[in-house]
Amino acid sequence: GDSVTQMEGPVTLSEEAFLTINCTYTATGYPSLFWYVQYPGEGLQLLLKATKADDKGSNKGFEATYRKETTSFHLEKGSVQVSDSAVYFCALLILTGGGNKLTFGTGTQLKVEL
Amino acid sequence: GAGVSQSPSNKVTEKGKDVELRCDPISGHTALYWYRQSLGQGLEFLIYFQGNSAPDKSGLPSDRFSAERTGGSVSTLTIQRTQQEDSAVYLCASSPLRASGGYTDTQYFGPGTRLTVL
Repeated sequence: GDSVTQMEGPVTLSEEAFLTINCTYTATGYPSLFWYVQYPGEGLQLLLKATKADDKGSNKGFEATYRKETTSFHLEKGSVQVSDSAVYFCALLILTGGGNKLTFGTGTQLKVEL
Repeated sequence: GAGVSQSPSNKVTEKGKDVELRCDPISGHTALYWYRQSLGQGLEFLIYFQGNSAPDKSGLPSDRFSAERTGGSVSTLTIQRTQQEDSAVYLCASSPLRASGGYTDTQYFGPGTRLTVL
């Protein structure tokens, strides 16, 4: 079945550090890939997505490139801020005639300190 | 515009009681999803409604769980005879149809209902 594996947290960084959160996937079809973010006390928000190989999703300084050859969708940001502290979820979805369910990774908690 | 809303935001119940959780999707969104977020299991799919088609119930963990969607809009997730392992945050999401038909891949999530079973 489809699955998503992402690095375990928590990840603790100093402000302005470079961030990478690894995500790899296994899928039987051609998935769309997503990063969702959950800020403390809030619901899941879509951060970025990519729908086909070599697409790059970007938002709020975060980027991720859909790599079909390595089945990866690693999240990166060049300079993190304290306000980026949250839990980040990698997810995939295969659009079919039915059952368009998101398959999530376990989430990676990011803590950014001054 | 208004996002997905869920009620109640928090629910504490005793083991063995039934609970109902409500989801109001974004207006005009025809697809609606329920997920569960728990410490032990992470984020897992429960059930999916698309338009007037039969729902995809493949993620419901037991027959104590059921959901309905009335009038193609509001959905209610019902858990009968709650157990302590049902304690989790229950998330609802919705997504629209593409202009050209078919479902988009982006799901918009509500804030969730935190269920605690004592």
